[in-house]
Amino acid sequence: DTAVSQTPKYLVTQMGNDKSIKCEQNLGHDTMYWYKQDSKKFLKIMFSYNNKELIINETVPNRFSPKSPDKAHLNLHINSLELGDSAVYFCASSPKRAVGTGELFFGEGSRLTVL
Amino acid sequence: DQQVKQNSPSLSVQEGRISILNCDYTNSMFDYFLWYKKYPAEGPTFLISISSIKDKNEDGRFTVFLNKSAKHLSLHIVPSQPGDSAVYFCAARGLNTNAGKSTFGDGTTLTVKP
Repeated sequence: DTAVSQTPKYLVTQMGNDKSIKCEQNLGHDTMYWYKQDSKKFLKIMFSYNNKELIINETVPNRFSPKSPDKAHLNLHINSLELGDSAVYFCASSPKRAVGTGELFFGEGSRLTVL
Repeated sequence: DQQVKQNSPSLSVQEGRISILNCDYTNSMFDYFLWYKKYPAEGPTFLISISSIKDKNEDGRFTVFLNKSAKHLSLHIVPSQPGDSAVYFCAARGLNTNAGKSTFGDGTTLTVKP
């Protein structure tokens, strides 16, 4: 029974297209995140929602738009895809705002390849 | 600006021996540190953490050591097992900082040979 699940796991698309990645967690957590792992393997935060409210919005092109219909779901929509968007995108969740001690629970990742 | 660095991209050890993975950080505001383990085609999973009030935290075969003056932490795995073969990420943040603001290193790939 997957705790944090993302779909699709693999996505290959052409430059200029629009695509979405979906994420769902069944852990009852209040906070969800999107991370990007680039070619240098660093995991970098993009967005975070706490109970449907945007709380972290890092310097990300506005072609990226997160949407949280409820606290168990956080989707990522990307418009006008560019070659540099090719990466693995990880969804994660944590209890409440997880300030203080506490860890992140990650999904399996969605590998996006833009041709 | 890499505030968290894992200078060894890879490490290979024999089963039963000790694995030592290292992590250095530059931000003196970091006071909570975590290690995550990642298998291929899976997301990172939490392994062990330590706050700056401690210099050691142990959980079974895994021990994390923190040297605040050197801004250095290490993960010791004893004894190493083939199932420990994975990528290990260290992460750091302030205790009053949202978990999502953790700064991650770029990982060390550990291979444990039978």
